Amino acid sequence: QVTLKESGPVVVKPTETLTLTCTVSGFSLSNATMGVSWIRQPPGKALEWLAHIFSNDVKSYSTSLKSRLSVSKDTSKSQVVLTMTNVDSVDTATYYCALFGQGAPHWGQGTLVTVSS
Amino acid sequence: SYELTQPPSVSVSPGQTARITCSGDALPKQYAYWYQQKPGQAPLLLIYKDTERPSGIPERFSGSSSGTTVTLTISGVQAEDEADYYCQSADRSGTYLVFGGGTELTVL
Repeated sequence: QVTLKESGPVVVKPTETLTLTCTVSGFSLSNATMGVSWIRQPPGKALEWLAHIFSNDVKSYSTSLKSRLSVSKDTSKSQVVLTMTNVDSVDTATYYCALFGQGAPHWGQGTLVTVSS
Repeated sequence: SYELTQPPSVSVSPGQTARITCSGDALPKQYAYWYQQKPGQAPLLLIYKDTERPSGIPERFSGSSSGTTVTLTISGVQAEDEADYYCQSADRSGTYLVFGGGTELTVL
């Protein structure tokens, strides 16, 4: 059974850097057919794709947030890490990670991050 | 940047068929995925790779594709189907993922 779990701070102060970790179980991040995305959803708003890391370590980022995002993976720990610099109140959202492979994608339950001083 | 277009809202009576469309230029080349989201819950995958249904998803949920439009069809709509529905795909290169703006389904 494939499971994903997001973890990170509940509250972050404006201008700080947000670091989120996605821990994957039941699937190897070295699998050639996989990729992991980060997605967020501000309260009451739509889903927004942020970043994706492919199995070959190629990365892609949302055009509007590219300058603030970085994604990496540690295959040995089965973790994918997203960092977002210079956060603001508009970055308050539930952040999800999702695994895409040859079959159905798998999502984590999400973690709510509030940006507040 | 690439966009997927969904109607903001769809209304249907119980027992009727609801169809939610999603349009995008790259849909003939890239698979589409459909998610259902109820308040306070994470998105639930309904359809992947245009037409495939994960185990546990009722047969009344189906997906189809025609040209630059994909459609989620809910047959025999039930009150519990009232939710937001999102389509998701990728641009032509498969590098950038994208979500539609979401469709609020109201069961009258």
